[in-house]
Amino acid sequence: AQSVTQPDIHITVSEGASLELRCNYSYGATPYLFWYVQSPGQGLQLLLKYFSGDTLVQGIKGFEAEFKRSQSSFNLRKPSVHWSDAAEYFCAVGGGNTGFQKLVFGTGTRLLVSP
Amino acid sequence: GAVVSQHPSWVICKSGTSVKIECRSLDFQATTMFWYRQFPKQSLMLMATSNEGSKATYEQGVEKDKFLINHASLTLSTLTVTSAHPEDSSFYICSASALGGLNTEAFFGQGTRLTVV
Repeated sequence: AQSVTQPDIHITVSEGASLELRCNYSYGATPYLFWYVQSPGQGLQLLLKYFSGDTLVQGIKGFEAEFKRSQSSFNLRKPSVHWSDAAEYFCAVGGGNTGFQKLVFGTGTRLLVSP
Repeated sequence: GAVVSQHPSWVICKSGTSVKIECRSLDFQATTMFWYRQFPKQSLMLMATSNEGSKATYEQGVEKDKFLINHASLTLSTLTVTSAHPEDSSFYICSASALGGLNTEAFFGQGTRLTVV
């Protein structure tokens, strides 16, 4: 069965510092991988996705993620965090034959940005 | 991106009553809508998939008679929690995608916090 682990419940980063949010997945075939962000009172917004090809994926808002098959990981990174990045981040995995449909989400990581 | 609106954002209801949650696609036609629920400190779990004009497909373990899903138009799907009980208290969130195949992005609503007292 598919599963996603986000080991960090909370992370605090200073504004301007770099960020890495961890995500590990379990899936028997080539996964479709996603990162979403949720601000309070708002829906989930897609940051980036990996389907195939280049394992380093660029997303919106300056985020990127790298798919590492050998480590079953899809960590999210940003070189310089802004205060507006404070939000909840969800990693998700989907199947090759279901694409965006049946997504399995991690428990989320709440990012706090300190001045 | 496309906008999906859920209503209400939060609701409190008495045990035994029914609650309806609406999910609307505001600027596109949503041929497929998905309903998820999230318990505190847990993942979002897919409950069901609904296609316009068809019966919803429920995930294993989700009671279809308790969570009634209607997708009568290309812009509206509703989730009705019937005879709600405190254990149904949760965060319910919908997503919607337009016709275009499996790689069509699904856009999420802002979610509905249901509290059953």
